[in-house]
Amino acid sequence: GQQLNQSPQSMFIQEGEDVSMNCTSSSIFNTWLWYKQDPGEGPVLLIALYKAGELTSNGRLTAQFGITRKDSFLNISASIPSDVGIYFCAGRLSRSNDYKLSFGAGTTVTVRA
Amino acid sequence: SQTIHQWPATLVQPVGSPLSLECTVEGTSNPNLYWYRQAAGRGLQLLFYSVGIGQISSEVPQNLSASRPQDRQFILSSKKLLLSDSGFYLCAWNRDVNQPQHFGDGTRLSIL
Repeated sequence: GQQLNQSPQSMFIQEGEDVSMNCTSSSIFNTWLWYKQDPGEGPVLLIALYKAGELTSNGRLTAQFGITRKDSFLNISASIPSDVGIYFCAGRLSRSNDYKLSFGAGTTVTVRA
Repeated sequence: SQTIHQWPATLVQPVGSPLSLECTVEGTSNPNLYWYRQAAGRGLQLLFYSVGIGQISSEVPQNLSASRPQDRQFILSSKKLLLSDSGFYLCAWNRDVNQPQHFGDGTRLSIL
């Protein structure tokens, strides 16, 4: 699949902070997904987006499907220690019968000492 | 509800030995099944996917193969492991191509 550009690569959070990460692509996607992976475990789906402009929340998490269909962002509000982990964006190209997902390289979130 | 199981959780194998990793899905029928490899600190690389029994599509030429002997069983194999086969292997499923993929807990494979 096509590589997505995910940024930042890593970030340090302080408890209570709002954090944001985003993903961009040179191609149009019809699905954007955000996953979180804890050490030694598989990624867990956080939010799925299916329509351009769609804004969806899951607790303190909010994600948006960009209007151009080439980008998406994930916000975490009032971060807590258990928010640490690796966050991946994933997208499916705007083609029918395409089974493949493209993945970003991940954003590693760490608690600031 | 649907669940996905992978085993073993960790595996240490010598170079040149064979490999068999297993993945099963419960609570659904005719799922799409996927094998990914994740190198340390990297994203996910799709290795194989399957849309039905005996139907395997390979994404990357390599030392590995996949099989789907039963509807909800997906196996990743190798006849002779290489050092470069080390990594974290993830199995995933979805009900159809428009649905998100859901991942198992992975197998950490170390080659010595």
